[in-house]
Amino acid sequence: ILNVEQSPQSLHVQEGDSTNFTCSFPSSNFYALHWYRWETAKSPEALFVMTLNGDEKKKGRISATLNTKEGYSYLYIKGSQPEDSATYLCACLTGNQFYFGTGTSLTVIP
Amino acid sequence: DAGVIQSPRHEVTEMGQEVTLRCKPISGHNSLFWYRQTMMRGLELLIYFNNNVPIDDSGMPEDRFSAKMPNASFSTLKIQPSEPRDSAVYFCASSWGEAFFGQGTRLTVV
Repeated sequence: ILNVEQSPQSLHVQEGDSTNFTCSFPSSNFYALHWYRWETAKSPEALFVMTLNGDEKKKGRISATLNTKEGYSYLYIKGSQPEDSATYLCACLTGNQFYFGTGTSLTVIP
Repeated sequence: DAGVIQSPRHEVTEMGQEVTLRCKPISGHNSLFWYRQTMMRGLELLIYFNNNVPIDDSGMPEDRFSAKMPNASFSTLKIQPSEPRDSAVYFCASSWGEAFFGQGTRLTVV
């Protein structure tokens, strides 16, 4: 079982603040890192798939970076809005195995 | 492919009754995950299978919960007996390089 860790487990930010959180994974046999946005009672939305060390992806106010050598990915949200409130889940693909992190629950306070 | 199919979409049952949730993964996928999502507890990974074999069931809350994957095209999550605190949205996901999620089953135990 691969240990994919996310931190913090939860956070509350004020509307307009920028925030970021981390996904850590073992760097051996790494193939890809996925980020999902999961609102309550809805199916998760795929945000990014990153494979190369140094990859940076952006989607609107959300961006992500990848460091495969040290085994981490950061997700950034610029100017948080209440609609950004959700659980952000990362998942690591190694070989043909898919391992999910525990998620970061974000609450944006109006 | 129709994606990951979960049934039923909604289930209302009385406390003490047995509940069976069903999931049909995407053909060819080798991993299957069961998640539970509630407002109080957030997102919980209950169990995941790889090649039909349960790999990690540490998230299964109690002995009342059991999951099976008799073949590569079908999995069940059973709760017997059900309790009101089991009320949640239960999601199934399958993966082969990328994870895809079903629409969820909203379970209400009254």
